[in-house]
Amino acid sequence: GQNIDQPTEMTATEGAIVQINCTYQTSGFNGLFWYQQHAGEAPTFLSYNVLDGLEEKGRFSSFLSRSKGYSYLLLKELQMKDSASYLCAVPGGGNKLTFGTGTQLKVEL
Amino acid sequence: GAGVSQSPSNKVTEKGKDVELRCDPISGHTALYWYRQRLGQGLEFLIYFQGNSAPDKSGLPSDRFSAERTGESVSTLTIQRTQQEDSAVYLCASSVDNTGLDGYTFGSGTRLTVV
Repeated sequence: GQNIDQPTEMTATEGAIVQINCTYQTSGFNGLFWYQQHAGEAPTFLSYNVLDGLEEKGRFSSFLSRSKGYSYLLLKELQMKDSASYLCAVPGGGNKLTFGTGTQLKVEL
Repeated sequence: GAGVSQSPSNKVTEKGKDVELRCDPISGHTALYWYRQRLGQGLEFLIYFQGNSAPDKSGLPSDRFSAERTGESVSTLTIQRTQQEDSAVYLCASSVDNTGLDGYTFGSGTRLTVV
């Protein structure tokens, strides 16, 4: 089966950098996803990593280490609108995604 | 349509009544998923459809829950004899193929409140 671990909450300052970690256990690795979910809204796709290393996409970057079962999402130049829940997810049996409980990020002035 | 459409957006129902939730996936997306999200919690997998294959129902919490999908079109999730514990946001997502590796596109969800 799949097991995903993320911190429950984080707080950071506008303009700063924040790193949200995710550790996972899965039988048969098929990549790792990050989603952003604003309060009361649907999750939206941020990134997909299948190879080790860092993938950068504007202010957001995602890192993967398959040997360590570890990923992080890096958010730079934080803006107030980045306040949201960030969900880590891995594909499991039958191609369904198993989601972590999410990290609630609060960006303060 | 351009996105995944769900209806109704909000539903308040009395305990014991049946409810039916609808999901209209993105045209051409062969895979469709239902998830449940209770307040302040993560996404809980319910059921997955892929084309005309038998659905993966492994996440349905009880036999009060059922879902149907005809071909690669609309899906309905039915909850019979609703209980207060069923109160949650029910999210539908679709993806291009059965790998799901393109990432899911989620609908805005149906917020179900059982009173």
